[in-house]
Amino acid sequence: DSGVTQTPKHLITATGQRVTLRCSPRSGDLSVYWYQQSLDQGLQFLIQYYNGEERAKGNILERFSAQQFPDLHSELNLSSLELGDSALYFCASSPAGGVADTQYFGPGTRLTVL
Amino acid sequence: EDQVTQSPEALRLQEGESSSLNCSYTVSGLRGLFWYRQDPGKGPEFLFTLYSAGEEKEKERLKATLTKKESFLHITAPKPEDSATYLCAVRGSWGKLQFGAGTQVVVTP
Repeated sequence: DSGVTQTPKHLITATGQRVTLRCSPRSGDLSVYWYQQSLDQGLQFLIQYYNGEERAKGNILERFSAQQFPDLHSELNLSSLELGDSALYFCASSPAGGVADTQYFGPGTRLTVL
Repeated sequence: EDQVTQSPEALRLQEGESSSLNCSYTVSGLRGLFWYRQDPGKGPEFLFTLYSAGEEKEKERLKATLTKKESFLHITAPKPEDSATYLCAVRGSWGKLQFGAGTQVVVTP
């Protein structure tokens, strides 16, 4: 158990809908990262937050957005969902968000778009 | 752009049959090379971080090594519970963690 929690574990929804994924980092970690893992793409970095502020952006679609709250938990919002958004979504956390920091991953949320 | 290539894509081993996984990388200003283990449907589990060429780290039956262009994950006398996908990732000077596609290892009794 990495100490990173994610809810829900599974999410099934329809195309065009909007969902919110939640992540709580390890105790004491200030940085949160979001990743998408699909069968054909592997693990893709989406976005990083550090202490409430956006720090880095990866391959995140405009339909997706995220934020980190004062209590350091983070939410990833996915809107206008398409079939291709079906994937595992992982949150990771690290102590300070530095480039040499080790990231610890949560158990993931499996999103199925029908 | 940072790139990570892992080989082989899949590896089938008999219990006790040692082997090595390869991770070749190109990165601007290596800040760290990371090995993770991932079971199906689960989150990646951290194994090792290596920071500079020549560095080695060990944990139980696993040993990771690093050169300027590649890293190896050696699995010594594997057991069935070592079956998993092993992921390699690099982090360069601009901070993004770039993952390879992984090597799927199956260890049979």
